[in-house]
This record gives sequence, structure tokens and C-alpha cells, in this order.
Amino acid sequence: AQSVTQPDIHITVSEGASLELRCNYSYGATPYLFWYVQSPGQGLQLLLKYFSGDTLVQGIKGFEAEFKRSQSSFNLRKPSVHWSDAAEYFCAVGEGSSASKIIFGSGTRLSIRP
Amino acid sequence: EAEVAQSPRYKITEKSQAVAFWCDPISGHATLYWYRQILGQGPELLVQFQDESVVDDSQLPKDRFSAERLKGVDSTLKIQPAELGDSAMYLCASSWTSGTETQYFGPGTRLLVL
Repeated sequence: AQSVTQPDIHITVSEGASLELRCNYSYGATPYLFWYVQSPGQGLQLLLKYFSGDTLVQGIKGFEAEFKRSQSSFNLRKPSVHWSDAAEYFCAVGEGSSASKIIFGSGTRLSIRP
Repeated sequence: EAEVAQSPRYKITEKSQAVAFWCDPISGHATLYWYRQILGQGPELLVQFQDESVVDDSQLPKDRFSAERLKGVDSTLKIQPAELGDSAMYLCASSWTSGTETQYFGPGTRLLVL
């Protein structure tokens, strides 16, 4: 069965510093991959998704992610974080040919140091 | 901007009581999902509807949970009787159709069972 691992439970970075959140997946075929963000009191919002094609995916709010099949990874990056980026980030993989069933990782909580 | 609506936002109940959550998806969205998110974990799919039909309820504890979407629009998730382990965030999401369409999440209902 598909699974997603986010090895970092909590990360703290300084405002203006670069960010990389790690995600590893387990899936036999080409996966459908997602990154979602969850801010306190709000629902999950899709940052970006990868289905095929260019392995570097651009998303909203200045985020990008790179699909690396050889490493089974889909890490999320941002060159310069803002205090408003503090939130919980979830990596996810779509299950099945239609990818409608999404399997989420356990999340990484991002804190921003002033 | 259209949003997924959920109510109530918070619910406190005693074990063995019945609780119900309501979700109104974005207008026109045929697919509706209910997820459960336990504190410190990612969301887990409970049930997926395509219009008024259940597509996937393999993770729904059917002895105590039920879900319906009678007219293929809004949906209700019920728990009877509630147990302490049901304390969690219950998220509703919707999409135009199933598959690779983006799922839009509501703010969730936080349930505390005492």
C-alpha cells in the first residue's frame, strides 16, 4: 500500500531564510503527489501537485517541490520564508489510477523565528 | 471565493451520546469527502461520495459511523454512540469530480468526547 513519510515533526527557521521540508513516499508506479498547508483554524489548502512531466513543480505562495524518483522523494522548498508561512505542512500521495483517495503524511510543523 | 462550509466548528459531547456534523460543498462539486484528523497526524479518509452514492467507505467504522448525501449536495456525518477515541478534527472536502481534481477543504469540526 502507498505510504508517505515526513521525517521532521517540527522545524524552526528564521524569517528570510530558505526552507526545505522532506517527504518520502512508497508507491510502485508513478505517483500523484501533493503538498498541503494547514494554518490554525483553517482547512487544508493545496500548495502544489505533481502528476507527470516536469519534475520541478511550482506552487502558490512562492513554494516549489521537486520529484526525484530515484530517491522516492518530493521535497518542498521556499527560498525565503515569511512569518505567515508558520503552519502545518502535509505531503500526500494519491492512491489508485484516479488518485482520488489521498494518503497523507503525519505532517511537519513549521515555526518561524523573528 | 466559494468555500466548503462545515458546522458546528466545535462540539463537546459525552461518550455514548450521538453527534452529527454537517458539510456544504462548493456549488457544483460532485465529489464530497469526509476525513478524520487525529491530533498530530494527517487526515484519513472516512468516506467518499460521488453525487449521492458512496464510492469508498472502507475506513468508516460502520458500527457507529454513518454518512449520507441524500440529494447529492450537502452531507451529514453521524457518530452514535460516541467514544473517547473519536475525539478528533473532522474535515469535509469537495471537488468537481473524482480523480486528479483538486480537493477543497472546509475549516473542520473539532470534536471532544468526554
